Amino acid sequence: TQLLEQSPQFLSIQEGENLTVYCNSSSVFSSLQWYRQEPGEGPVLLVTVVTGGEVKKLKRLTFQFGDARKDSSLHITAAQTGDTGLYLCAGARTNAGKSTFGDGTTLTVKP
Amino acid sequence: DAGVIQSPRHEVTEMGQEVTLRCKPISGHNSLFWYRQTMMRGLELLIYFNNNVPIDDSGMPEDRFSAKMPNASFSTLKIQPSEPRDSAVYFCASSLEGSSTYEQYFGPGTRLTVT
Repeated sequence: TQLLEQSPQFLSIQEGENLTVYCNSSSVFSSLQWYRQEPGEGPVLLVTVVTGGEVKKLKRLTFQFGDARKDSSLHITAAQTGDTGLYLCAGARTNAGKSTFGDGTTLTVKP
Repeated sequence: DAGVIQSPRHEVTEMGQEVTLRCKPISGHNSLFWYRQTMMRGLELLIYFNNNVPIDDSGMPEDRFSAKMPNASFSTLKIQPSEPRDSAVYFCASSLEGSSTYEQYFGPGTRLTVT
């Protein structure tokens, strides 16, 4: 049973379009991270959210943590080819010592 | 500051050979994680250490895999004997436990090919 479900699994869009990807669970997390992984590299931390309902912005990226701290979304405005990559969410439960990763959303932004 | 360092970046070996992957975590981090990534299975946690002590090795596939962390600045993942199904990208990540957010910082990975 996958603790964190990410959707969609694959997404291919044109440059300039907007998109939203989702990270859902039946478990409550004390914190949730989003990472982006480019081909041939390791995942890079984008953001951490810790408070239910929290919204964080990173340039054209908007991250939201669900009120119940069970889910999260990532919205990209006016996507660019440089946004192409694998987007992973990871949730940590209190005192777990580790995070659990979702399977990721592979985003392709075409010029 | 240097990030997580892994070596080698690429390893090609024949089935049955021993493979050793190396990792140097970020200085000051006290948790270290070994992951394996494949297209089929995604990112899998193999084992993690806290303060050099293995805490959870439930993700280690079988006895052919072993990991050590002799000190705070070095860890190894060993596969002996290697098999073609071990081909994958292996990542090491480190974090600072006690931060309550479990943010992890990944190395560039070792791409292992077993023929």
